[in-house]
Amino acid sequence: DVKVTQSSRYLVKRTGEKVFLECVQDMDHENMFWYRQDPGLGLRLIYFSYDVKMKEKGDIPEGYSVSREKKERFSLILESASTNQTSMYLCASSFIGESSYNEQFFGPGTRLTVL
Amino acid sequence: QKEVEQNSGPLSVPEGAIASLNCTYSDRGSQSFFWYRQYSGKSPELIMSIYSNGDKEDGRFTAQLNKASQYVSLLIRDSQPSDSATYLCAVKGSSNTGKLIFGQGTTLQVKP
Repeated sequence: DVKVTQSSRYLVKRTGEKVFLECVQDMDHENMFWYRQDPGLGLRLIYFSYDVKMKEKGDIPEGYSVSREKKERFSLILESASTNQTSMYLCASSFIGESSYNEQFFGPGTRLTVL
Repeated sequence: QKEVEQNSGPLSVPEGAIASLNCTYSDRGSQSFFWYRQYSGKSPELIMSIYSNGDKEDGRFTAQLNKASQYVSLLIRDSQPSDSATYLCAVKGSSNTGKLIFGQGTTLQVKP
C-alpha cells in the first residue's frame, strides 16, 4: 500500500513564525504536491515537484516556499505565518509518465492554526 | 467556466438507494478521471479511476465516462450511512505535468 505521511496532524503557531510542514512517501513516486483545503474553496494547489530539487508553482504559491532534497520528502515552508494561512494542508504523491495514470495518494493532512 | 464542475449538494438519498454523482470537465484532451471520497476532517481517499469510455464497476461503485459529452459520473448502489461523505471528482488534463484538477466536491448524505 502507498503510504504518505505528514509530520503533524495538528499544529498551532503564532503570526510571524516560520513553519515547516513535512511530507514523506514510501512508493518512489516522482511527483509530490502540496494543497490547502478551505471550506467553500475546495483543494487548491500550492506547489508541486516532479523531481528532486525541481519545483513548480501551483495556483496559490504566495507566502509559501518548498524544498525537495530527497525523492521521498517534500517540505512546505511558511516563511512568516499569517492568520489567513490557517487551513488544512494536504500532501499527495504520484507516479509520472505515460505508463502511469497519475493517481494521487494523499497523506492524512495537517490542520494548521495561526494565532 | 470552472475546469471541473460538480454540484455541491448536499445530495440526500435513503439507505439502500442508488446515489448518482456527476462531474463535467472542460479540457477535451483530458486523459484520466478519478473519484475520491473524503470524510469530514479526513484526507481524500481514492475510490475509483477510469480511463476509457464506458462503465467500470468495483463492488457497489460504478464509474461512467463519456468523453464526447465530457462528463464522468459515480454510481453508488445500495447506499449505506457510511457512504455519507464528500466526493471529489479529479481530472488529469492534456498536459504531462501529472497535475490533477479537482472539482469542489459533492456532499452525499445517506439517511437511515
